[in-house]
Amino acid sequence: GAVVSQHPSRVICKSGTSVKIECRSLDFQATTMFWYRQFPKKSLMLMATSNEGSKATYEQGVEKDKFLINHASLTLSTLTVTSAHPEDSSFYICSATKGESSYNEQFFGPGTRLTVL
Amino acid sequence: GQNIDQPTEMTATEGAIVQINCTYQTSGFNGLFWYQQHAGEAPTFLSYNVLDGLEEKGRFSSFLSRSKGYSYLLLKELQMKDSASYLCAVMDSNYQLIWGAGTKLIIKP
Repeated sequence: GAVVSQHPSRVICKSGTSVKIECRSLDFQATTMFWYRQFPKKSLMLMATSNEGSKATYEQGVEKDKFLINHASLTLSTLTVTSAHPEDSSFYICSATKGESSYNEQFFGPGTRLTVL
Repeated sequence: GQNIDQPTEMTATEGAIVQINCTYQTSGFNGLFWYQQHAGEAPTFLSYNVLDGLEEKGRFSSFLSRSKGYSYLLLKELQMKDSASYLCAVMDSNYQLIWGAGTKLIIKP
C-alpha cells in the first residue's frame, strides 16, 4: 500500500497565530514529500519539495520564512504556517513518493483545510 | 512558459461515455498523469501515460499523443460517483508535475 495521512484535517485559527500541519507516510518510506496549496476551483499549486534531512526547495513566490517545512524523517514532514493571515486560508495537501517506480507516482494525503479568521 | 489546458466543466448523463481532453506545452516530457479529485478531498491517481497510445483500466482509459501534446481521459458507463474534478498533470524535464486547473464533471441521472 501507499497511504499518506495529514493532521489536522481542518483547523480554524486567529490571525497572527502559527499552525503546524503534519504529513506522514504510514506504510512506506517517502524519499520525497511535496506540499501543495489549492484555492477553491483552482489547480494545485506546488509550494515546496522536501527530502529527508535536507532543506526544502521552495517554488518561486513562496516565502520560506512564512511556510516552514521540516522533513525530519522518511515518514514525516511538517508545514508550519507562521503568523497566519486570512489570505493564507486554503486547502493544503501533501504528497509523497516512494522512489520505486520509474515515474515517481505521488500519493496524496487527505488535505488540511485552514481557515484564518 | 509551461501550460496545461483542459475544459473547466463538462456535463454527462449516467450510463453514458465522456471524453475529457488535455493539451499541454511543457519544457520536456516525462509522462502525463490523470487524477480524480472529489470536492474537499485530495487527488487520487487514475492513470499514467508516457508512450503514445491508449491505456485501458476498467471503465477508465487514457490516451496520449506526444507529437500533438494531447491526451484524453475516457470514462465509460458513467456512474453518479464519477462526479468529480479530473486533473491532468505533466511531468516536465525536471521531473516536476505541472498541473492543469481541472475539469469539473457533472453527472446527471
